[in-house]
Amino acid sequence: EVQLVESGGGLVKPGGSLRLSCVASGFTFNNAYMNWVRQAPGKGLEWVGRIKTNTEGGTTDYAAPVKGRFTISRDDSKNMLYLQMNSLETEDTALYYCTTLLPIKTTAGSVVACWGQGTPVTVSS
Amino acid sequence: SYELTQPPSVSVSPGQTARITCSGDALPKKYAYWYQQKSGQAPVLVIYEDSKRPSGIPERFSGSTSGTMATLSIIGAQEEDEADYYCYSTDNSGDQRVFGGGTRLTFL
Repeated sequence: EVQLVESGGGLVKPGGSLRLSCVASGFTFNNAYMNWVRQAPGKGLEWVGRIKTNTEGGTTDYAAPVKGRFTISRDDSKNMLYLQMNSLETEDTALYYCTTLLPIKTTAGSVVACWGQGTPVTVSS
Repeated sequence: SYELTQPPSVSVSPGQTARITCSGDALPKKYAYWYQQKSGQAPVLVIYEDSKRPSGIPERFSGSTSGTMATLSIIGAQEEDEADYYCYSTDNSGDQRVFGGGTRLTFL
């Protein structure tokens, strides 16, 4: 079964830091581009950033609002994806999803895009 | 910054065809993707690369593009399709990745 499980969300003060984690299973993680997408309460989806595969240099791209503050990394030996968030602002309050975003082929042979259930981040004093 | 424009809401009667549009200047050259998000749930990809269906997505979901507009069609819409739908794509350079603002599909 394809699964992404996020963790690490919580309440943090403005200016603080938080590290989100995501563990993957059911597909060949090291072959997948991985993304973080967030959704503020009652709002739409917002792409946060992406990391390519390590064979492609593990290159990262970020949305303008988080560039310079957020860092995405991956550990293929553990099937883990991370989001380091620094200098957090109240506008960063959202549910953060780990996702392949684009479709991948699972170990069972199906073609799907994988999403976790999200981990909530609240930035408030 | 690049934007994808969707109507905020679309209404449809059960069994009829629902069409949700997504407008963006780069869509003639860049693929559109469509995600369905039901209340309280994570999004689900229903169309990729303009018109392809992922595994397990019902045949009533289809996608098309014409010029700067992508369209998600649900032929014979069912009340279980009530959800928010988001398009996703990139600008011509591939540097900006964006979602549309989302369209809420409701039933009459």
